[in-house]
Amino acid sequence: GAVVSQHPSWVICKSGTSVKIECRSLDFQATTMFWYRQFPKQSLMLMATSNEGSKATYEQGVEKDKFLINHASLTLSTLTVTSAHPEDSSFYICSASFAGGWYEQFFGPGTRLTVL
Amino acid sequence: KNQVEQSPQSLIILEGKNCTLQCNYTVSPFSNLRWYKQDTGRGPVSLTIMTFSENTKSNGRYTATLDADTKQSSLHITASQLSDSASYICVVSGLRAGKSTFGDGTTLTVKP
Repeated sequence: GAVVSQHPSWVICKSGTSVKIECRSLDFQATTMFWYRQFPKQSLMLMATSNEGSKATYEQGVEKDKFLINHASLTLSTLTVTSAHPEDSSFYICSASFAGGWYEQFFGPGTRLTVL
Repeated sequence: KNQVEQSPQSLIILEGKNCTLQCNYTVSPFSNLRWYKQDTGRGPVSLTIMTFSENTKSNGRYTATLDADTKQSSLHITASQLSDSASYICVVSGLRAGKSTFGDGTTLTVKP
């Protein structure tokens, strides 16, 4: 089956620093990748959608200057949380889909970000 | 506006019992419906995916049904196990834009 990995699985950082999270599709080419955040006991919230080689499309209310998304290749997308603050602490999950895959999304294991 | 509504919001059952989770959607035109299982602190894992022409699909003890006419789906879990405790998410994709609509999930707790 299609496998998506995320790195790191958890990260703790100081307020004001930037954190980069990687999302990789290990055994398929991901034409589209999605980034979600999830607060405890809440549903997944889509942050942005990125297609390889083009700019990400952000959902309403998501600051694109704060959450930088790069989808430089068909197997790698990165999310950088810039100048992180405690309210950015959350569970970040990526997913990936491939062209012709009925838009099925394969999810990564998630990254727990804690900002002190 | 495309919507996916799941019920119940949460459910507690005893180990070994069966249960059924519901998903109603308004996404149109419809492409496919997926059920995911999300353990706490983990990413969602796909259980089943159904297209318009399919009305039932099984994955071990999980059986999903789809009624595209009434825009309803259910996920039936047979002989529940403690490891079934998780959030179950219904996701519906339309034919346009490649975007999926997520339900809020049903939190299932299986008790011994």
